[in-house]
Amino acid sequence: GAVVSQHPSWVICKSGTSVKIECRSLDFQATTMFWYRQFPKQSLMLMATSNEGSKATYEQGVEKDKFLINHASLTLSTLTVTSAHPEDSSFYICSARSRQGSTDTQYFGPGTRLTVL
Amino acid sequence: GENVEQHPSTLSVQEGDSAVIKCTYSDSASNYFPWYKQELGKRPQLIIDIRSNVGEKKDQRIAVTLNKTAKHFSLHITETQPEDSAVYFCAAIFTSGGSYIPTFGRGTSLIVHP
Repeated sequence: GAVVSQHPSWVICKSGTSVKIECRSLDFQATTMFWYRQFPKQSLMLMATSNEGSKATYEQGVEKDKFLINHASLTLSTLTVTSAHPEDSSFYICSARSRQGSTDTQYFGPGTRLTVL
Repeated sequence: GENVEQHPSTLSVQEGDSAVIKCTYSDSASNYFPWYKQELGKRPQLIIDIRSNVGEKKDQRIAVTLNKTAKHFSLHITETQPEDSAVYFCAAIFTSGGSYIPTFGRGTSLIVHP
C-alpha cells in the first residue's frame, strides 16, 4: 500500500508555544488530506479536510485560527497548533486519499503525540 | 450527512473463536466501505475493503459482507489469534470523481484471550 509519513512522531512543548506537524504522502499524490485527533482508547475525530491549493474545511467545533492547516503541495500538508495549551495534548493523525484510476483508498500516517506542559 | 454506527464497542473472544463486528450507515450514496486495524500507539492500517458493487470479499481469515438494501456491513474474523487484538474501525465513504467523503465508526476494541 501507499505510504504516509508524519513528523515529528512526538513533541513536548510549553504552554503558549506553537507546534507544526508535517504530513507527507511518499509515493503518491494526495489531492485530499485529513487531520484527525484521537484521545486514548477513543475514536478518530475528524478535525479538518484539506484539498491541495485551497482552504481547509473544518469540522464543527474545531477552531480554524487555533489549528492552522496548509496543503501547499500534492504531497505535503501541515497542521500548526497555535498557542498550545495542556488541553491540546493528544494524538494527531493525518490521512491521505490515494487515487489510482477511478479507485480511491485512504492511508494513515503514524501519528504525532503532542504533550503540552 | 452520513452517520455510521459500529457495534460492539468491545469484543472479547477466546483464541480460535470467530469475531464479528457490525456497522450500519445512513446515506445510501456511500459506495466504499473499508476496515482499519489500529494496534496500540500505531496508525490505523487498511485490512480489507469492499465497494458497493460487491456483496462479499474474503482475504484469508478475514471477510467483509455488505448489504446495501439494509445499509449495513460486517467484518468477520475466523480462527482469531492474540495478534488480532486491536481496535477496528469501519468507514462508509462516498467517493466519486473529485469527491471523497469518509465517515468512520467509533471503533471496536477486540481482545483475543490465549
